[in-house]
Amino acid sequence: QKEVEQDPGPLSVPEGAIVSLNCTYSNSAFQYFMWYRQYSRKGPELLMYTYSSGNKEDGRFTAQVDKSSKYISLFIRDSQPSDSATYLCAMRRINTNAGKSTFGDGTTLTVKP
Amino acid sequence: GAGVSQSPSNKVTEKGKDVELRCDPISGHTALYWYRQSLGQGLEFLIYFQGNSAPDKSGLPSDRFSAERTGGSVSTLTIQRTQQEDSAVYLCASDSRDTQYFGPGTRLTVL
Repeated sequence: QKEVEQDPGPLSVPEGAIVSLNCTYSNSAFQYFMWYRQYSRKGPELLMYTYSSGNKEDGRFTAQVDKSSKYISLFIRDSQPSDSATYLCAMRRINTNAGKSTFGDGTTLTVKP
Repeated sequence: GAGVSQSPSNKVTEKGKDVELRCDPISGHTALYWYRQSLGQGLEFLIYFQGNSAPDKSGLPSDRFSAERTGGSVSTLTIQRTQQEDSAVYLCASDSRDTQYFGPGTRLTVL
């Protein structure tokens, strides 16, 4: 069983829709949670990171962490065609400010105009 | 430069040949990582450097894979006797505290 499982998608939504992207994890040592966006043939780009349970908002993006359920989500409000990309969740242990991240397999999102 | 750079951007090689992939991290970043991404998959950790030493090599899939880092900066990932299953995008990242910045990757195709 993988340590990080991500809803596989793909997702296709109309412009303006609210998008929910989700990951679950099995290792309670993970304390630092990240969401990356990856455009085709590009490297991943960090969107958001959080240490805490609860919500963290940045513009149209909200990251949600529920440590008791080992579940994280990324919400995108008022989705735009430019949001079309693959979204990767990632996590790592808190006691290393360096050290490997464990990634989900990604969810490909298409936002149709 | 402003970001992590990798070269070459694309590499096509024949089965059995050796290849070298290069990563130039962001200046001043002490931590450097190599990951591999196969088509439609997430990132698979290969190796992590702190300075010139590699405290975590646990992701290297076989002894055909090796990596080094010199001067606390540039890193080279070497794959010997390449196999078709080595075909993937090889991504490098460098770390500033809690944030990993990724390069654009090297797309390796083994024929």
